Amino acid sequence: EVQLVQSGAELKKPGDSLKISCKGSGYMFGNYWIGWVRQKPGEGLEWMGMIYPGNSETKYSPSLQGQVTISANKSIATSYLRWGSLRASDTAIYYCARVALAGPYDVFDIWGQGTMVTIS
Amino acid sequence: DIVMTQSPDSLAVSLGERATINCKSSQSVLYRSNNKNYLAWYQQKAGQPPKVIFKWASARESGVPERFSGSGSGTDFTLIISSLQAEDAAVYYCHQYYSAPLTFGGGTKVEIK
Repeated sequence: EVQLVQSGAELKKPGDSLKISCKGSGYMFGNYWIGWVRQKPGEGLEWMGMIYPGNSETKYSPSLQGQVTISANKSIATSYLRWGSLRASDTAIYYCARVALAGPYDVFDIWGQGTMVTIS
Repeated sequence: DIVMTQSPDSLAVSLGERATINCKSSQSVLYRSNNKNYLAWYQQKAGQPPKVIFKWASARESGVPERFSGSGSGTDFTLIISSLQAEDAAVYYCHQYYSAPLTFGGGTKVEIK
């Protein structure tokens, strides 16, 4: 079964650092882009960026570039989303999702279960 | 950035009735070289991640009931649920994957009247 399993919920303080993870299984992890999508409480979906684990090429949303870092370790089929200094406004559910084809421009066909990050 | 505007924000429809959701992009998401619209629809039920139900504006994903249909081209798109069922209560998002930054519409909440 193709799936993405994300790390568990986090409760952090403003100014803390954090790294959450997304582990893929059931497919060739390095051959598909992985995107990260944010959903603030009661709000819609916001694309944050994406990475191609095969060569670690990344694309970021201009509004978030510099605030987060997306990385991946192909050998353990895991992508990461990292913050150096959290803010209360980072409180959200963070989803990782696989892009359907071997290229960045296709739908997100497989989604992780989401990681709730609370900053308080 | 391509801005995706959905309407309405919410709608309440009786079981068996039709639900119509509109999505407009600020610029065309039709890629001329392959004549494909880079527009998807997602369904998100409470407490769950989104699930893709249409890609290329009108290509229904496997397992999605035929009462769902997607249409449109260029900048104007529509998702129709022809006969609403209880399990269709959800928030629906359109999404353009034509160019980065990828963007989503604000969502339309479909409730049962």
